[in-house]
Amino acid sequence: GAGVSQSPSNKVTEKGKDVELRCDPISGHTALYWYRQSLGQGLEFLIYFQGNSAPDKSGLPSDRFSAERTGGSVSTLTIQRTQQEDSAVYLCASSLPAPTRDTQYFGPGTRLTVL
Amino acid sequence: AQSVTQPDIHITVSEGASLELRCNYSYGATPYLFWYVQSPGQGLQLLLKYFSGDTLVQGIKGFEAEFKRSQSSFNLRKPSVHWSDAAEYFCVLMDTGRRALTFGSGTRLQVQP
Repeated sequence: GAGVSQSPSNKVTEKGKDVELRCDPISGHTALYWYRQSLGQGLEFLIYFQGNSAPDKSGLPSDRFSAERTGGSVSTLTIQRTQQEDSAVYLCASSLPAPTRDTQYFGPGTRLTVL
Repeated sequence: AQSVTQPDIHITVSEGASLELRCNYSYGATPYLFWYVQSPGQGLQLLLKYFSGDTLVQGIKGFEAEFKRSQSSFNLRKPSVHWSDAAEYFCVLMDTGRRALTFGSGTRLQVQP
């Protein structure tokens, strides 16, 4: 079946602009995660959605970052007033819901470049 | 706080040689552990996972890993490396409460012909 998809694959923006990154999880996966992969920080957890529960936002680096998940499926990560340090690859993953100890399946990522 | 350490940033092996990538973790309970591989331009692919039970786990592409609680380690092994194994390998720990993954810094594997 189809895997996790993300769009766009690449995004170049100017400092100060807002950007939206999209993630389509695997069908039937109610858990969705966002991670960031950057040269300086490696791979970091950002946010976790599980069904209709309140999301775990503990990994978001600042209040410029937000995410929503509509209809329990598609998710959008929004970065407001982008800064150069936001340049990274943003990865989305999905899995079956807790308490199953399932694997997180990753999308190909969105490479964000802030000029 | 939990953490994952991969002490080798870069490893080079000859094709056909054996491979061992090291991973140490710090976690207050029994961890859920994974190895993922990331090839250039590719997404993260799961190689294998350990949740409980048999401490030697088999994965895809001929990889295996051994969980050693006494050493807080989860090293990845392959008896004979192929050129297509050149990639970056991540040891990963799952927080069983939050479900968030904690990644090691990665080991980049280069395979010489």
